Amino acid sequence: EVQLVESGGGVVQPGGSLRLSCAASGFTFDDYAMHWVRQAPGKGLEWVSLISGDGGSTYYADSVKGRFTISRDNSKNSLYLQMNSLRTEDTALYYCAKEGFDYWGQGTLVTVSS
Amino acid sequence: QAVVTQEPSLTVSPGGTVTLTCGSSTGAVTSGHYPYWFQQKPGQAPRTLIYDTSNKHSWTPARFSGSLLGGKAALTLSGAQPEDEAEYYCLLSYSGARGGVFGGGTKLTVL
Repeated sequence: EVQLVESGGGVVQPGGSLRLSCAASGFTFDDYAMHWVRQAPGKGLEWVSLISGDGGSTYYADSVKGRFTISRDNSKNSLYLQMNSLRTEDTALYYCAKEGFDYWGQGTLVTVSS
Repeated sequence: QAVVTQEPSLTVSPGGTVTLTCGSSTGAVTSGHYPYWFQQKPGQAPRTLIYDTSNKHSWTPARFSGSLLGGKAALTLSGAQPEDEAEYYCLLSYSGARGGVFGGGTKLTVL
């Protein structure tokens, strides 16, 4: 059974940093690209970032480019999102999703507030 | 960045048929945008219903179908059930399969 479990969310001040993790199981992790998608409270979905299966290629939404870094550790079946220079508009539930969006985690909440 | 548009809200009667659409600010939606359709119920993660325009997952109810219609991607629900009341999002890919852009979502009411 495929499982994706996010962690690392919390409350952080504007300008601060946070690192999200996504633990994957039930599939051959390094065979698949992985996404981060976020959803602000009461709002729609926003694609954030994508990393290839080998970690060699990464892509970002314009809204987070230069501030967020996606990475993965295939030996640990884990995906990460390093978020720096956080803004209030980054407040959202952050989901990780497997390539093709066929499986999603339940999300981890990031709140950026002073 | 492209803008993806969806109807903000639609209502369908139980047993009825409704079509949700997904348009692109860059022009006609084609199979090259690899349209996805997701269903999200309150407090739940999104669930993929349709991928690559019209392909279904094993968990996708047969009453849902995807297509291209009038320059847009379309999700048709035939024989609506009360449990189909949810928010529906489409996703279009641009410049290959590098992420994508979500539509703003359609709140579907079954009433």
